[in-house]
Amino acid sequence: DIVMTQYPDSLAVSLGERATINCKSSQSVLYSSDNRNYLAWYQHKPGQPPKLLLYWASTRESGVSDRFSGGGSGTDFTLTISSLQAEDVAVYYCQQYYDTPYTFGQGTKVEIK
Amino acid sequence: QLQLQESGSGLVKPSETLSLTCTVSGGSIDSSGFYWGWIRQPPGKGLEWIGRIYHTGTTLYKPSLNGRLTISIDTSKNQFSLKLFSVTAADTAVYYCARQIHITGGNWFDPWGQGTLVTVSS
Repeated sequence: DIVMTQYPDSLAVSLGERATINCKSSQSVLYSSDNRNYLAWYQHKPGQPPKLLLYWASTRESGVSDRFSGGGSGTDFTLTISSLQAEDVAVYYCQQYYDTPYTFGQGTKVEIK
Repeated sequence: QLQLQESGSGLVKPSETLSLTCTVSGGSIDSSGFYWGWIRQPPGKGLEWIGRIYHTGTTLYKPSLNGRLTISIDTSKNQFSLKLFSVTAADTAVYYCARQIHITGGNWFDPWGQGTLVTVSS
């Protein structure tokens, strides 16, 4: 299985400041034939289902705020919240879909400092 | 707007069978380019994909659950279901159903159901 490791496990950021979450895969999720990274990001708030934010590592899902952006390639990826808002408090997960079984990172909890 | 809703027993005894159904509304489960999947989250832990089904009935399961898991689909009811046999306390989790988007070659999940907590306990 591809192991997805996120860091940090949690971070506290002041309102309006940048938050950066890292995700590392145990093997590359970049598919050479189409040059796409098979990685998605989700936001999970308490009592709600996870919400898709990004796919192909950096393509924002329709309706998702442009405060959220994704970067990286191969085995190292980032999710950046450019200006943290109160409604962004959540746990964030990366997920690889390069190979089955699809696997998720352990999650990063984002809080307000 | 596509919506998914899980239903089923919230309490299952050890060694018995966990059964859940996901009802899809606002769209057809028959659509090409989408799988229908199950993901679970044990208390205090991360997300775990456990299996998926296509509208043709083709399934793919997480290997570690092979032999204990069956996913089926009823296109006439716009539902798909999960049965997990011989459960133990380790199967206690919030179970989510989700549409798995494969139409462009990816396999991400959107949308998700609200999730249902299943507790395995005597």
